[in-house]
Amino acid sequence: GQNIDQPTEMTATEGAIVQINCTYQTSGFNGLFWYQQHAGEAPTFLSYNVLDGLEEKGRFSSFLSRSKGYSYLLLKELQMKDSASYLCAGWDSNYQLIWGAGTKLIIKP
Amino acid sequence: GAVVSQHPSWVICKSGTSVKIECRSLDFQATTMFWYRQFPKQSLMLMATSNEGSKATYEQGVEKDKFLINHASLTLSTLTVTSAHPEDSSFYICSATRGETDTGELFFGEGSRLTVL
Repeated sequence: GQNIDQPTEMTATEGAIVQINCTYQTSGFNGLFWYQQHAGEAPTFLSYNVLDGLEEKGRFSSFLSRSKGYSYLLLKELQMKDSASYLCAGWDSNYQLIWGAGTKLIIKP
Repeated sequence: GAVVSQHPSWVICKSGTSVKIECRSLDFQATTMFWYRQFPKQSLMLMATSNEGSKATYEQGVEKDKFLINHASLTLSTLTVTSAHPEDSSFYICSATRGETDTGELFFGEGSRLTVL
């Protein structure tokens, strides 16, 4: 079956760095996404990786290892506004998105 | 980035009535639109995929007669919750794609929170 696993909840300190991991099992693979979702709002796109390696976008970076079925989202210089859920989603061979349950990130002062 | 607008943002209705939610792509033509529902503290659950001019494809367990989806144009899809019951109370989110598989970005509407009394 197809599955996306990510931690349920993480806590970090303002100004610090946090890494949110995601492992995936999909029927075929056409890329992996990270979305940010604040409570009560729709998700917003953060990143898309289809090749191995690290992609950096400002304070956020996303990494993919296709051989390991593994990705992580790295958030640097954490701000209070980064408190949100982070959703990992994989694209299977039919370009169907398989969603993880999301990781709730709590930022403490 | 592309803009998707969803309306209404909030709706409260009586049990047994029907509610229509609209999803519009404002500055691009959406070849495909997706409808999700999300219960508190849970992930997005895909309900159905709709392509302009054709019938929607519903996910297993989603009643197509209860959740009517119409995608009459490349910029508008509607979800109608018929004969709503309290268990239908949820956060409904639409998203749209331009059909590009190189970036895969989905553009989400703001979401519609439905409360059925």
